[in-house]
Amino acid sequence: KAGVTQTPRYLIKTRGQQVTLSCSPISGHRSVSWYQQTPGQGLQFLFEYFSETQRNKGNFPGRFSGRQFSNSRSEMNVSTLELGDSALYLCASSATTGTYEQYFGPGTRLTVT
Amino acid sequence: AQSVSQHNHHVILSEAASLELGCNYSYGGTVNLFWYVQYPGQHLQLLLKYFSGDPLVKGIKGFEAEFIKSKFSFNLRKPSVQWSDTAEYFCAVNARSGNTPLVFGKGTRLSVIA
Repeated sequence: KAGVTQTPRYLIKTRGQQVTLSCSPISGHRSVSWYQQTPGQGLQFLFEYFSETQRNKGNFPGRFSGRQFSNSRSEMNVSTLELGDSALYLCASSATTGTYEQYFGPGTRLTVT
Repeated sequence: AQSVSQHNHHVILSEAASLELGCNYSYGGTVNLFWYVQYPGQHLQLLLKYFSGDPLVKGIKGFEAEFIKSKFSFNLRKPSVQWSDTAEYFCAVNARSGNTPLVFGKGTRLSVIA
């Protein structure tokens, strides 16, 4: 089975721009979660989608948003980028919501200049 | 709200030394517990998990973890580390009831030297 894939792997953006990151879960998995990983804060939960519905949201500003499509693929969007948004953004999939045996993708490294 | 503490930020061990990484969580209810590992240049991988039953859980690559409910702890152990165990290790917890997300500790970097 193919693992979780994320595109793009690396991204450089300028302050004020917006960015969209994509995640394709493991085939058959219906839950996708997003995390922000930074050296100082570690992994912080952004949101979870299950069957195209947002099930959980972390403590991030409204500039961070996401969605999930009918094929379980997910996108997250960050608008009005700030320098502090530079991070590794990780996507994880699981078969269903609630079990939380999650499988992680390689991440998208976002650098905001 | 749940929180997870990993006491050691960076651990340096010689090959064949024994390893124990601490993890404590704060949550009064029933929890699911996980250890994830991130090898250099690779993505996070599940090392082991505890949902219920025997509190001593065995994972991949010779790792094990013990859930001690009274101490709110889920420490990771390995009797003899190898250079290839050099990685960052993350403890994670979520509440069993309700639809709560995983909460991660800040990670422990393990460096194994020859």
